[in-house]
Amino acid sequence: RKEVEQDPGPFNVPEGATVAFNCTYSNSASQSFFWYRQDCRKEPKLLMSVYSSGNEDGRFTAQLNRASQYISLLIRDSKLSDSATYLCVVNRGTALIFGKGTTLSVSS
Amino acid sequence: GAGVSQSPSNKVTEKGKDVELRCDPISGHTALYWYRQSLGQGLEFLIYFQGNSAPDKSGLPSDRFSAERTGGSVSTLTIQRTQQEDSAVYLCASSLGRSRTSYGYTFGSGTRLTVV
Repeated sequence: RKEVEQDPGPFNVPEGATVAFNCTYSNSASQSFFWYRQDCRKEPKLLMSVYSSGNEDGRFTAQLNRASQYISLLIRDSKLSDSATYLCVVNRGTALIFGKGTTLSVSS
Repeated sequence: GAGVSQSPSNKVTEKGKDVELRCDPISGHTALYWYRQSLGQGLEFLIYFQGNSAPDKSGLPSDRFSAERTGGSVSTLTIQRTQQEDSAVYLCASSLGRSRTSYGYTFGSGTRLTVV
């Protein structure tokens, strides 16, 4: 089983849609969880941390289910500028392990 | 500096040659990481430096790869006798340190290495 697994997509949605991405991880000892965003041919950038209680940042909501080792990201009211690859990230000790990402394409 | 700086941004080298990639982390960040990303693939962890501690080299793919960090700041990743499968984007990241994993990393813009 891969350490971090994501559906690669692509997810093709119209502007204004709500879209959800899921991620599972294999290391039950992991304590830190993130979503990163990567634009084409650019470096990954931190989108948001993920906390057990769930957290929201504007149109973005992240959820963590430790029992199921499952992380989600919900994007509401999608914008064209949300088009990117979204990387689920989990720590293994002091290193961060990245999933291969889910590609989102938002169209007008 | 204001961000993580990597050089060169692009490097084309002949198979069998050695290359050195440089990373200058954010000032005050004690943790430094190297990753690589092959075309269409996820990020692969290579090596981690934290302060003066021994580096975590568990991700280095072969003994042709080595890295050092001088003075707790600038790091160089060296690939000896490059092979075509070494072609990838090599990304450096820094963070505030071991206890700050929860803050995530800041990445440099990477070095795109092409081995011909």
